[in-house]
Amino acid sequence: EPEVTQTPSHQVTQMGQEVILRCVPISNHLYFYWYRQILGQKVEFLVSFYNNEISEKSEIFDDQFSVERPDGSNFTLKIRSTKLEDSAMYFCASSPTGSNYGYTFGSGTRLTVV
Amino acid sequence: AQSVTQLDSQVPVFEEAPVELRCNYSSSVSVYLFWYVQYPNQGLQLLLKYLSGSTLVESINGFEAEFNKSQTSFHLRKPSVHISDTAEYFCAVSEASGYSTLTFGKGTMLLVSP
Repeated sequence: EPEVTQTPSHQVTQMGQEVILRCVPISNHLYFYWYRQILGQKVEFLVSFYNNEISEKSEIFDDQFSVERPDGSNFTLKIRSTKLEDSAMYFCASSPTGSNYGYTFGSGTRLTVV
Repeated sequence: AQSVTQLDSQVPVFEEAPVELRCNYSSSVSVYLFWYVQYPNQGLQLLLKYLSGSTLVESINGFEAEFNKSQTSFHLRKPSVHISDTAEYFCAVSEASGYSTLTFGKGTMLLVSP
């Protein structure tokens, strides 16, 4: 069964450093998403991406965050200057049609900011 | 805007016992409802969903959930659990448009012991 692949599975970074989280969505999917879960809290929507641009973003997704599809296969989330409160599990998802009953999620990247 | 409440952060149960994981939501519009499961070191997997029609929905591995509009609930049940059901279960809601983002609950850890 096709999978959404996220790398790395765990990343530790120093506060103030830039970090890039990588995702390889399912190949024929057109819609891409990032969600995150701070430990003990809810899974929260960050951003959705379609046709090489952001289609929706939450208030969490401020100027420190950016997304990119640098080639035909990768979808990345960049955090420019990490803060302690960015420590969370970050989930990537993709969907063929954009309907929210067709999401496939990746296994997540645990980001720890020290 | 929607919100989801999963009151139980952890539910311990013995193998072959029945289990109910509770989920309540709030929304001013019609909703779609979802249960996702996350096994250790894996991604979020869609377990079952309610979009319309019959209020009782079932998964292939014996779980079922019932949409109760008057109670604004979507509790997940299984009559007899297995050790392999040990996982974190997330309830999620979205507007019934199919294209809005998912709002998740905090998750319930189901711990099945022999």
